[in-house]
Amino acid sequence: GQNIDQPTEMTATEGAIVQINCTYQTSGFNGLFWYQQHAGEAPTFLSYNVLDGLEEKGRFSSFLSRSKGYSYLLLKELQMKDSASYLCAVRVPVRYNTDKLIFGTGTRLQVFP
Amino acid sequence: DVKVTQSSRYLVKRTGEKVFLECVQDMDHENMFWYRQDPGLGLRLIYFSYDVKMKEKGDIPEGYSVSREKKERFSLILESASTNQTSMYLCASSLGTGRTGELFFGEGSRLTVL
Repeated sequence: GQNIDQPTEMTATEGAIVQINCTYQTSGFNGLFWYQQHAGEAPTFLSYNVLDGLEEKGRFSSFLSRSKGYSYLLLKELQMKDSASYLCAVRVPVRYNTDKLIFGTGTRLQVFP
Repeated sequence: DVKVTQSSRYLVKRTGEKVFLECVQDMDHENMFWYRQDPGLGLRLIYFSYDVKMKEKGDIPEGYSVSREKKERFSLILESASTNQTSMYLCASSLGTGRTGELFFGEGSRLTVL
């Protein structure tokens, strides 16, 4: 089976740092994505990890540990506009040279002044 | 910029009606996907296609079919709509035949089945 777990909701204060965790148990693994989705809008790509370690992109960083089936998204210097849902998605193989993305249920982050 | 366009933002249909949801992308992407998004369940993959006239079942294909006659267009068909198909439907595309790269999503089609 395929299982991707994220917290349902988180709150944080403007200017703070927040870490959103994602754990997965999947039949195969070809990489992990993080997407941001503002209310009423389409998801947009934030980051991609396929090797263990930290990927940094401005205020956002994403970490992966394949042996632990674990990833986190780190948001620094939080801004009000970061209030959104954050979706963890795992790329799993379907067969040779074909895969698909499976999404977690998403973490709704609210940033307060 | 990649643009994925879904034909209707809001639709209201009656139980038993046939429903077509159209999706067009303008970046020559090989892969196209249909997801539905429901509160508490996240995005669930209905069908995907990695080439013209090719289609693959996703995780919840029951009650749906798809058509991909041209590379840029991927249609989702509900043969006989039911109330449990009331949902937000998201189309997406990505580069790379078969291998799913970064997904680019359309704005979504909110379907209500009465």
